[in-house]
Amino acid sequence: ETGVTQTPRHLVMGMTNKKSLKCEQHLGHNAMYWYKQSAKKPLELMFVYSLEERVENNSVPSRFSPECPNSSHLFLHLHTLQPEDSALYLCASSQDRQGPGYTFGSGTRLTVV
Amino acid sequence: GIQVEQSPPDLILQEGANSTLRCNFSDSVNNLQWFHQNPWGQLINLFYIPSGTKQNGRLSATTVATERYSLLYISSSQTTDSGVYFCAVVFGNEKLTFGTGTRLTIIP
Repeated sequence: ETGVTQTPRHLVMGMTNKKSLKCEQHLGHNAMYWYKQSAKKPLELMFVYSLEERVENNSVPSRFSPECPNSSHLFLHLHTLQPEDSALYLCASSQDRQGPGYTFGSGTRLTVV
Repeated sequence: GIQVEQSPPDLILQEGANSTLRCNFSDSVNNLQWFHQNPWGQLINLFYIPSGTKQNGRLSATTVATERYSLLYISSSQTTDSGVYFCAVVFGNEKLTFGTGTRLTIIP
């Protein structure tokens, strides 16, 4: 256990479903992140939240909608996804945007059918 | 743009062997980390090492910031060391940028 908890660990959803991924950290960190890891590709940063404010959105399609209700929780709401969105979604946190240390959760392995 | 290159891309070793993984980066960094991603996808933070040398058991890392590279050493490899090793850096106020990783396979 790294201090960053993600649920669920696995998710299979249809293209018309709506689901949410949850991330929780109790490390006292001020920044939280969503990353996407597809097969054979580097980790891609999706969203950055700093002190509950979204500070970065890396051209992510609107079918992915993040939410940060407080500094300890981060959600990724999913709707009308495509099969190519199947990937490992990783949440991370850090003291601030420059680090020093980034801590990752175990990830949610998402399959869109 | 910002580049983080890791070598080798794949490495297969016998249990007990030593290995050196390399990370080259294209600009000055204020944050460099090494991660191990296990076969279940978990990314474990191994070292925060923007400069200097650190050791933790069988693992050690050295970053030579002036020459823009970092090395991760694994001694007396075990099968549980298998997985993908990532180097990730922060340049200035930019985001954490990951390299493409080195896939390490330790054979019993």
